[in-house]
Amino acid sequence: AQSVTQPDIHITVSEGASLELRCNYSYGATPYLFWYVQSPGQGLQLLLKYFSGDTLVQGIKGFEAEFKRSQSSFNLRKPSVHWSDAAEYFCAVGILTGGGNKLTFGTGTQLKVEL
Amino acid sequence: DAMVIQNPRYQVTQFGKPVTLSCSQTLNHNVMYWYQQKSSQAPKLLFHYYDKDFNNEADTPDNFQSRRPNTSFCFLDIRSPGLGDAAMYLCATAYGVNTEAFFGQGTRLTVV
Repeated sequence: AQSVTQPDIHITVSEGASLELRCNYSYGATPYLFWYVQSPGQGLQLLLKYFSGDTLVQGIKGFEAEFKRSQSSFNLRKPSVHWSDAAEYFCAVGILTGGGNKLTFGTGTQLKVEL
Repeated sequence: DAMVIQNPRYQVTQFGKPVTLSCSQTLNHNVMYWYQQKSSQAPKLLFHYYDKDFNNEADTPDNFQSRRPNTSFCFLDIRSPGLGDAAMYLCATAYGVNTEAFFGQGTRLTVV
């Protein structure tokens, strides 16, 4: 069965510093990969996705992620963090089934931004 | 211009009293999902519809049921809520099988 690991439960960075959130997945084939962001009490917003092609994908809000097949990783990066980026970030793997694209989420990384 | 709308945003129900959560979408997506997210945990898929075809996750409790009367609406019924069912319930939609999911704002369910 597929699984997603986000090793960092909490991360604190200073505003303006760079950010990298780690994500590793386990799946037998090439997965569909996603990063979602969730603010407190809100739903999930898609930051970016990887289906195929260029392994470096650009997303909204200045985020990017790189798919590395050899490491089974899909780490999220941002060169300069803004205070408004404080939120919880979920990596997810999508498994294509006859009934749709089923998402399995990691346990999330809570990002705190220090001013 | 919300695209996936969940009502209500907050729901308080009594232990054992049936409750229904609703989700509507303006995207005309054919796939709709229900996820349960407990505090500080990842969202967990309960079930999903591909058009009218219902797909239940193997570990979804029997206490949870769903209805999708048309493309735009989907309901989550909890027949006898227990304290352990208190959670955020997230509805999501997708177009086809090869695309990302769009989430609603969620309904926070409290069981008293």
